[in-house]
Amino acid sequence: GENVEQHPSTLSVQEGDSAVIKCTYSDSASNYFPWYKQELGKGPQLIIDIRSNVGEKKDQRIAVTLNKTAKHFSLHITETQPEDSAVYFCAASIGGGSTLGRLYFGRGTQLTVWP
Amino acid sequence: AAGVIQSPRHLIKEKRETATLKCYPIPRHDTVYWYQQGPGQDPQFLISFYEKMQSDKGSIPDRFSAQQFSDYHSELNMSSLELGDSALYFCASSKRSNSPLHFGNGTRLTVT
Repeated sequence: GENVEQHPSTLSVQEGDSAVIKCTYSDSASNYFPWYKQELGKGPQLIIDIRSNVGEKKDQRIAVTLNKTAKHFSLHITETQPEDSAVYFCAASIGGGSTLGRLYFGRGTQLTVWP
Repeated sequence: AAGVIQSPRHLIKEKRETATLKCYPIPRHDTVYWYQQGPGQDPQFLISFYEKMQSDKGSIPDRFSAQQFSDYHSELNMSSLELGDSALYFCASSKRSNSPLHFGNGTRLTVT
């Protein structure tokens, strides 16, 4: 099956700085890559996703880049705020038919933004 | 906007007991997924249903079973509970099998 690796496991930044989280995947058939933010006691919340026919996607302070050749994708958060502090998970999935739902998650990154 | 509803939020059971977890997907979502998340771990896929039929199966123990009902809600039944079953159980739903998954806030199961 798919293997997703995520780095770093912890990340501390000063408010206003940028944060970058990187993931790699093993299965070249994977074509859907969502990012989830999980706060304590809550479920993962989808913050952005990208499909393999796109190299970059932005949504305000959040951007995701995808390099299919190298099989890696990254989350970029600019102008970080204390409320961005949470665990972030990357995931990969093979789209099409009924198999999109099997998301393979990375191990997560604990992001702490200091005021 | 309506979200995925899971009940109960917390559940405490003893070893060898049974537990039933419920999931109510976002309205008009036809696909439901179950994930298990151990402490400090990433979510692990258990099973999914599309239009009330099992669509995919992951690392779900034989002691567990699940189904999706005609109103699209789903239940995860867990029998002969073991200490190692203690975890957060998340349900997620999507409108069709090729659209983003939205997760509920989970059921925290503690087996003593």
